[in-house]
Amino acid sequence: DAGVIQSPRHEVTEMGQEVTLRCKPISGHDYLFWYRQTMMRGLELLIYFNNNVPIDDSGMPEDRFSAKMPNASFSTLKIQPSEPRDSAVYFCASSPGTREETQYFGPGTRLLVL
Amino acid sequence: DQQVKQNSPSLSVQEGRISILNCDYTNSMFDYFLWYKKYPAEGPTFLISISSIKDKNEDGRFTVFLNKSAKHLSLHIVPSQPGDSAVYFCAASAVTGNQFYFGTGTSLTVIP
Repeated sequence: DAGVIQSPRHEVTEMGQEVTLRCKPISGHDYLFWYRQTMMRGLELLIYFNNNVPIDDSGMPEDRFSAKMPNASFSTLKIQPSEPRDSAVYFCASSPGTREETQYFGPGTRLLVL
Repeated sequence: DQQVKQNSPSLSVQEGRISILNCDYTNSMFDYFLWYKKYPAEGPTFLISISSIKDKNEDGRFTVFLNKSAKHLSLHIVPSQPGDSAVYFCAASAVTGNQFYFGTGTSLTVIP
């Protein structure tokens, strides 16, 4: 299996622009997680899905952030409009089921908002 | 309001010695804990876990200790190797949900 795939790997954009991050989870995994990594807060869970349904989005910082999972093999995280404080590394992870089962992380998308 | 804290941003250890990475948590509902390892430009990878019914779990050179009364866990790496140089994240979860709460990470450097 190719593992969790994220695109793009790097994104540089200007403040106010829309940014879309993409994730393809491991086939057969029922859970998908979006995280943001910053120096100050470490890895923060933004939202997670179970069988394509959003379960907990309490970590989404503002209404500027939205996430979708239209099918089992694809998810997007969108920021509109983007701001410099959104600069971070965004990770997508998937897992087969319960919390005792390992989450597999993608390589991340490094976002820089100028 | 960080529920999982790693108070040491960095740690340097000589090759062959023991590395001890620490983690504290505040939520008494947490009952399952993980350590992840992260190399630059890669996503975190699972290293070792422990349930609150145990106070120790060992996997090769890696041992995790849990002190529930102190709300503290630690990761011991013995002996440390240069390839262990990475950022280590501690994470915790409560039985009520599937989400994990991560710390800010500790960057370990093992000096040859």
